[in-house]
Amino acid sequence: SSELTQDPAVSVALGQTVRITCQGHTLRTYYATWYQQKPRQAPVLVIYGKNNRPSGIPDRFSGSSSGNTASLTITGAQAEDEADYYCNSRDSSGNPPLYVFGTGTKVTVL
Amino acid sequence: EVQLVESGGGLVQPGRSLRLSCVASGFTFDDYAMHWVRQAPGKGLEWVSGISWDSGSTAYADSVKGRFTISRDNAKNSLYLQMNSLRREDTALYYCAKDLEWELLGGVSDIWGQGTLVTVSS
Repeated sequence: SSELTQDPAVSVALGQTVRITCQGHTLRTYYATWYQQKPRQAPVLVIYGKNNRPSGIPDRFSGSSSGNTASLTITGAQAEDEADYYCNSRDSSGNPPLYVFGTGTKVTVL
Repeated sequence: EVQLVESGGGLVQPGRSLRLSCVASGFTFDDYAMHWVRQAPGKGLEWVSGISWDSGSTAYADSVKGRFTISRDNAKNSLYLQMNSLRREDTALYYCAKDLEWELLGGVSDIWGQGTLVTVSS
């Protein structure tokens, strides 16, 4: 099965921009999906597809992709953005499809 | 209110079985594929299994294939996960999640339950 690799932790000053990356071979074929998870809470969908935000997700969250790397950018990070972030993608072109999560990135807002 | 509520978790001995349930409300359950995702204590997310809207397609992670069975009852707005031959490494919080689509395609989950804890220990 495929793997999606993320940096374990990143920090960002309040109001500044942070980019979280996700690397994996499968990202050359499939879009990454991004989830935010705060302590003791269920994950929340923040970005999916090319760069789509569900209703209620602030527009400071955006997604992009190049080659085997997908990125989640938080422009103007807020204190409430401190959380773990996971990428996710389809694992293969097989049927039925399998899915894989990234290793997760802990974002600290200073 | 759109909601998913899991139940059925608990303490179970290695090698035994457990059945998880997830009841959906606030949306048309049989319009969407569904997934189970788990998270071991202090660890990351792991996709476990998915099922299409009509149960015509099911998929399993290699780590559970042959031991776990996903199913759904659209008349009861319910999703299930039958877990057999449980191992200590299956210990995790199990989340039920709704897909954006009716088939297993992109695997994007827009609604998640709060999870039910499964502990496998003697």
